[in-house]
Amino acid sequence: ETGVTQTPRHLVMGMTNKKSLKCEQHLGHNAMYWYKQSAKKPLELMFVYSLEERVENNSVPSRFSPECPNSSHLFLHLHTLQPEDSALYLCASSQVEGGTDTQYFGPGTRLTVL
Amino acid sequence: AQSVAQPEDQVNVAEGNPLTVKCTYSVSGNPYLFWYVQYPNRGLQFLLKYITGDNLVKGSYGFEAEFNKSQTSFHLKKPSALVSDSALYFCAVRRVDYGGATNKLIFGTGTLLAVQP
Repeated sequence: ETGVTQTPRHLVMGMTNKKSLKCEQHLGHNAMYWYKQSAKKPLELMFVYSLEERVENNSVPSRFSPECPNSSHLFLHLHTLQPEDSALYLCASSQVEGGTDTQYFGPGTRLTVL
Repeated sequence: AQSVAQPEDQVNVAEGNPLTVKCTYSVSGNPYLFWYVQYPNRGLQFLLKYITGDNLVKGSYGFEAEFNKSQTSFHLKKPSALVSDSALYFCAVRRVDYGGATNKLIFGTGTLLAVQP
């Protein structure tokens, strides 16, 4: 185990539902990340939270909304998703070290949008 | 444009033979390079990274990678493959096009390593 947990592990939702993905890190890190992993595509960084910055990938649709209440917890709120949003959503955390830090990933949430 | 290329979708190797998973990168300045492995239904696990210093980096599970600046490559290697090494391998490089402190990575598309017994 990497010290990063994600719930739920699997989620099936309709296009009109609202759901949230949860990530928790037990490593004492100060940065957390959301990635989208689709088949045959590179991992796509969606959002980054750290003590100093929140960074959003401008290509991520507004139907994805992140929330980071503290340095250990990260949420991804989902609403009115599309079938193409079906993917594996990965959370990661790191201790910021000027760009050399290693990111540690959770097991992911497999999302299916019907 | 900054990018990472993994030219092989799949690499097949017999157990006990040496393996190489290729990675080339394009980034301005000095690169920070990473290798991760993903087993089925799991997240990515860190294997090793190159920041500076010795071009040969040793990592977890007997893996190593060689940084070659002139060829802009960072190939992953292991002297003797195990069936349990069969997994999806990702190469990544840190983005250098902004001034933030966090480590934003550009990933390759992944290479599936299949080790036959």
